[in-house]
Amino acid sequence: GQQVMQIPQYQHVQEGEDFTTYCNSSTTLSNIQWYKQRPGGHPVFLIQLVKSGEVKKQKRLTFQFGEAKKNSSLHITATQTTDVGTYFCAGTGPNFGNEKLTFGTGTRLTIIP
Amino acid sequence: DGGITQSPKYLFRKEGQNVTLSCEQNLNHDAMYWYRQDPGQGLRLIYYSQIVNDFQKGDIAEGYSVSREKKESFPLTVTSAQKNPTAFYLCASRQGYNYGYTFGSGTRLTVV
Repeated sequence: GQQVMQIPQYQHVQEGEDFTTYCNSSTTLSNIQWYKQRPGGHPVFLIQLVKSGEVKKQKRLTFQFGEAKKNSSLHITATQTTDVGTYFCAGTGPNFGNEKLTFGTGTRLTIIP
Repeated sequence: DGGITQSPKYLFRKEGQNVTLSCEQNLNHDAMYWYRQDPGQGLRLIYYSQIVNDFQKGDIAEGYSVSREKKESFPLTVTSAQKNPTAFYLCASRQGYNYGYTFGSGTRLTVV
């Protein structure tokens, strides 16, 4: 079964509201990556986090890696219709194998105009 | 432009037939991967290859086979032994462990 869980599974927000998705692993990760998949499209790499407690920003997107390197979050400020899609986290680690990514279950974001 | 090409985009097959999905990359990446995505689901790893002439099973390899005879190519065969083959298949490659995946546009396989 899945070793990396994401919550929530679905999120509907009004345009302009903030959005957050959370990623949790039962074991320590070496690093974590985030991807965005638009409806009908393929996943696109957004960012990688490696260090404990790391925070990275891309315009309205803020990514965090937990201190214990077991969880991560993606926060979008003031959502826009272009943010629609499914956001996946994906990790590597001693329990998963560093040569491949284990993907989370994803959070599907829909925007109400 | 460099990238990954998957073909065809849509594929229909009758139950009991084997089918091969193509994946070609011109990014000079050593590692290539095949994932399966079911509606509303995450990505599950089928097979991966870190170097030519070598590949490893992923989490759901049963009913699938692959080959890696060339660096650029990593075709996936969905055999008649795969019980639920209808899905969206994604091929990916990456430069190394500290890099993100580059995905192809996927193949939607429907078995009737």
